[in-house]
Amino acid sequence: DAKTTQPTSMDCAEGRAANLPCNHSTISGNEYVYWYRQIHSQGPQYIIHGLKNNETNEMASLIITEDRKSSTLILPHATLRDTAVYYCIVRVAGTSYGKLTFGQGTILTVHP
Amino acid sequence: DAGITQSPRHKVTETGTPVTLRCHQTENHRYMYWYRQDPGHGLRLIHYSYGVKDTDKGEVSDGYSVSRSKTEDFLLTLESATSSQTSVYFCAISGISGRLTDTQYFGPGTRLTVL
Repeated sequence: DAKTTQPTSMDCAEGRAANLPCNHSTISGNEYVYWYRQIHSQGPQYIIHGLKNNETNEMASLIITEDRKSSTLILPHATLRDTAVYYCIVRVAGTSYGKLTFGQGTILTVHP
Repeated sequence: DAGITQSPRHKVTETGTPVTLRCHQTENHRYMYWYRQDPGHGLRLIHYSYGVKDTDKGEVSDGYSVSRSKTEDFLLTLESATSSQTSVYFCAISGISGRLTDTQYFGPGTRLTVL
């Protein structure tokens, strides 16, 4: 699975959009971009994933660049409960088993 | 969230004692996983299962065994607990029967302390 690079930490004001970047310059054509987050002391929570088109669900939007070498997770209206570690993961789809490789992630702190 | 429970949620035990952690799912997912999370190491895969009685090792399987006698239950056993196995253990599931999906959903975790 391709390696990802994320900023160590970011801050965001409550109510504003949080834009979390991820670089995955060695991504292969059959690899998806997944985002998870982990709120303190809880299990990782799935947010969203995509291959090359932008994706949106009730939690977030995922913007993938045309060359697929980077992506941005957008939380449109961040709340204090969005404070967490956010992980960007790249892995081959179509294999329902196999480990997820979590890097260090980005610590997002949402301020009042 | 995804119908996953783990028990116990917290356990303190002594070195050398056997410990069994249970993961239970109500979603009929085919695949189940055990990870451990430690500061500085992120999540590491211990064992996983791809069906009843079908299991395989992950990257940190030494000292652990697993069993899956029913679709809904995946047990992780520490035969003789050591202090290095003090960690937070997470169960995950994926692969809804009849659908191909890679998304893994995680349980709430079990915090294990080995004294």
